[in-house]
Amino acid sequence: ETGVTQSPTHLIKTRGQQVTLRCSSQSGHNTVSWYQQALGQGPQFIFQYYREEENGRGNFPPRFSGLQFPNYSSELNVNALELDDSALYLCASSSLRGGSTDTQYFGPGTRLTVL
Amino acid sequence: DAKTTQPPSMDCAEGRAANLPCNHSTISGNEYVYWYRQIHSQGPQYIIHGLKNNETNEMASLIITEDRKSSTLILPHATLRDTAVYYCIVRDHNFGNEKLTFGTGTRLTIIP
Repeated sequence: ETGVTQSPTHLIKTRGQQVTLRCSSQSGHNTVSWYQQALGQGPQFIFQYYREEENGRGNFPPRFSGLQFPNYSSELNVNALELDDSALYLCASSSLRGGSTDTQYFGPGTRLTVL
Repeated sequence: DAKTTQPPSMDCAEGRAANLPCNHSTISGNEYVYWYRQIHSQGPQYIIHGLKNNETNEMASLIITEDRKSSTLILPHATLRDTAVYYCIVRDHNFGNEKLTFGTGTRLTIIP
C-alpha cells in the first residue's frame, strides 16, 4: 500500500509569485485535505476535495485554491505569495464511503519559504 | 478553535509508560477522539482513535472516560523515538465535517 506523497519537499519563492504544490493520495482514498502549519503552531485546515470539488474551506483567502484530479491526486495553488505564507503545507487523504469519512493520513509535507 | 485541552509539555523516562491526558468536555455524541503525533516538522502520524470504548493497537492504548469528557493516550514502553508533539483531536466522521482542528498539543520528551 502506497502512502501519501507530496512534492516538492522544499521550495523557495519570492513575494508576489505563485506556487503549486502536489499531493498523491494513499491508494484506495478518494478525499484530500490540505493544511498549513506555521512554525511553532498546529496545522490549520485550508480545504478539502472530494470528487474533484471543494468540500469545506477554512479561514483562508481565495488566493489559496486547489484541484483534485480523477486519480484523486491534488494540487494546492497559492497566488500573490506573502511572507506569512511561509509554512509547512500538509496533504492528508482519507476514504469517504456511505456519507462517512475515516482516518486522515498525512504526507511528509512541503516546506515553503517566501522571501 | 480546538475543542481539546492538553498540557503543553511532559517528560517520561525511557522504558516507562507515557500517559498523555486530554480534556474534551464539549465533545458531542457523534465525535470521535483521535490522536496524532508529529516528529520534528514531519507530517502528523496517526496513532489511534475511539468513540466510547477503550482501544489498543500496536502503537498505543486509548482510554476514554465513561462520560467521554476526557481521555488518556498510553504509550506502554516509551522509547527515544517517541519524542514528539502529540495532538488530541475530536472530529466528526460525517461528510462535510471531517476537518481536523489541531490545538497546540503536548510536547513529550523521553528521557534516557
